[in-house]
Amino acid sequence: SAVISQKPSRDICQRGTSLTIQCQVDSQVTMMFWYRQQPGQSLTLIATANQGSEATYESGFVIDKFPISRPNLTFSTLTVSNMSPEDSSIYLCSVDPLDGQAKQFFGPGTRLTVL
Amino acid sequence: ELKVEQNPLFLSMQEGKNYTIYCNYSTTSDRLYWYRQDPGKSLESLFVLLSNGAVKQEGRLMASLDTKARLSTLHITAAVHDLSATYFCAVGGTYKYIFGTGTRLKVLA
Repeated sequence: SAVISQKPSRDICQRGTSLTIQCQVDSQVTMMFWYRQQPGQSLTLIATANQGSEATYESGFVIDKFPISRPNLTFSTLTVSNMSPEDSSIYLCSVDPLDGQAKQFFGPGTRLTVL
Repeated sequence: ELKVEQNPLFLSMQEGKNYTIYCNYSTTSDRLYWYRQDPGKSLESLFVLLSNGAVKQEGRLMASLDTKARLSTLHITAAVHDLSATYFCAVGGTYKYIFGTGTRLKVLA
C-alpha cells in the first residue's frame, strides 16, 4: 500500500495567479498521476508523472497550464497556472506502487477555489 | 478512445433492499476498479477485477466482471445507511485509468 499526503488541502486564489500543489508518498513509486475532479463530477486524468522523464499529458491538458515536476520517487508537484474560475476543482494525486496488488491509491485531494 | 459509462447516475434506495450498479466500457481493458467516495473525501479502493468472470465480495458489496460484454456490476445486498456514497468504476491498465461517471447512492432509513 501507499500513504499519500497533499499540500495545501484547500486554497482560495485570485484569478490570474498560480498555485503549486505538492504530493508526498511514503514509499518510492514509479508511477504518479494527477487528476482533476470538478464539483459533482467524475475524475479526469490530467497527466502521468514518471521520475526522470517529462510528464505525459492527456488530451485537453497542456504543460504551460499544468506544469508538473517529479524530482524523485516520492514527490511530485502540479502547478495550476494563470488560474480562472473554471479551474476551481479538487486536484488529486495518485500512485500505483506496482506491488502486485494492481491498486491505485489516492491522496486526500486539494480543493481549489478561484475567485 | 476508451469511454466508461455507469448507470444509474443517482440511486435512492430503502434500507434492506438490493440493487445493482452497472459499468460499461468501450474497449478491451485488463483491469477494472471500483472506488467509493464519501462527500468531501478522497477515493477508497473497493475492488480490483483482473480477469473475465472475476467476482469479489466484501460485506454487502459484490463486484463482477464480464470482459466479453465489457460490463462490470456492483451489487448491493440488504443496503444500510452507511453505504451512502458515490461509487466509481475505473477501467484501464498500469499507465492510465478512465473513470466512469459515478453513481451517487443514497440509502434511506
